[in-house]
Amino acid sequence: ELKVEQNPLFLSMQEGKNYTIYCNYSTTSDRLYWYRQDPGKSLESLFVLLSNGAVKQEGRLMASLDTKARLSTLHITAAVHDLSATYFCAAPPRAVYSGGGADGLTFGKGTHLIIQP
Amino acid sequence: DAGVIQSPRHEVTEMGQEVTLRCKPISGHDYLFWYRQTMMRGLELLIYFNNNVPIDDSGMPEDRFSAKMPNASFSTLKIQPSEPRDSAVYFCASSGTGGHEQFFGPGTRLTVL
Repeated sequence: ELKVEQNPLFLSMQEGKNYTIYCNYSTTSDRLYWYRQDPGKSLESLFVLLSNGAVKQEGRLMASLDTKARLSTLHITAAVHDLSATYFCAAPPRAVYSGGGADGLTFGKGTHLIIQP
Repeated sequence: DAGVIQSPRHEVTEMGQEVTLRCKPISGHDYLFWYRQTMMRGLELLIYFNNNVPIDDSGMPEDRFSAKMPNASFSTLKIQPSEPRDSAVYFCASSGTGGHEQFFGPGTRLTVL
């Protein structure tokens, strides 16, 4: 059974600070997804990491993937209040097979991030 | 471009009633996923389709749940009979060939009294 574990599950931080959210997963998946969810809203795709060593950045957020360690990180640089949300990582159950294709995702419990002015 | 469309957005029903949730994926996408979100269990995959064919329904909780995809632009998730423990937000998501990014609909908030 695939397990996806995030930590921390709750994070309160001040604006301007840096922090990292960690995501460990238990299978041979070579892909990792990060989503953002605002209260009462749907999930917004942030990053899709498709290979070992993949690094993607968007604004103050940067995500990376180490498939050997089965670890992904989401780094927040100089946090601002607008980044307050719940962040989820998710992984498919296996490495993508030849020819590509989607798979259902297993999600972590989410990291509830509050950024205070 | 319209995103994933779900209806209804909110549904309140009484225990024992049949509930049907609807989803229209993004045009051209050939994968469709149904997920459920609750406080206790988080986000769970229920079932997914590829080219209208169910691929993995191992997440469907029990026989009261059924899902269909009669064509490429429409899917339903039915609960019959509904129970209070089915109360949750049900999300539909779709993905294109290559299957990397999944785009989520706005969700249906179901309350079973």
